[in-house]
Amino acid sequence: SYELTQPPSVSVSPGQTAIITCSGDKVGNKDVSWYQQKPGQSPVLVIYQDSKRPSGIPERFSGSNSGNTATLTISGTQSMDETDYYCQAWDSSTVVFGGGTKLTVL
Amino acid sequence: QVQLVQSGSEMKKPGASVKISCKASGYTFTTNNMNWVRQAPGQGLEWMGWINTNTGKPTYAQGFTGRFVFSLDTSVSTAFLQINSLTAEDTAVYYCARRVTLQTWFDPWGQGTLVTVSS
Repeated sequence: SYELTQPPSVSVSPGQTAIITCSGDKVGNKDVSWYQQKPGQSPVLVIYQDSKRPSGIPERFSGSNSGNTATLTISGTQSMDETDYYCQAWDSSTVVFGGGTKLTVL
Repeated sequence: QVQLVQSGSEMKKPGASVKISCKASGYTFTTNNMNWVRQAPGQGLEWMGWINTNTGKPTYAQGFTGRFVFSLDTSVSTAFLQINSLTAEDTAVYYCARRVTLQTWFDPWGQGTLVTVSS
């Protein structure tokens, strides 16, 4: 079965750029979405179709996808961005989520 | 605005059944699909499958066949998830999430329903 692999944790200093990767076989050929999930809350869509931002999502969130890696980039990271992030794609009519990445802002 | 509101937390004994609801508002219920996602305590997101809100046809992901049932009541724009023969391993938060037909992302998500299975 298809797998998406994320690093369990990423650390970044406030104001710097956080990069969270999502690796999968030829994931560049798929549409990747990203979700932010704060403790005790439901996931929120922050990126869809690799690089599009829903309305209401800050411009500091961006995405890219090529080859075997999709990337979520958070520019000028703020303390409020410290939480869990999940990538998601479809493979053979099945939804696959990455294992999630905990972003720490310190 | 588009909103999904789920039923409240449930505490069940092993072997029992539970039925969770997900009421949609702000859009035409039968034009989008409803997905279900499980999140065990401290774990990641796991896709359970989806139901076509136009035809009522469910599609179950691997590992979610047999004890899991997706259903609808289109008259009240509500989707349901029933889990039978509960075990402790079913303890999790269950989310409904809308997917616009032919799109690949989920938005929005319900607030989640915690199901606790304990004797």
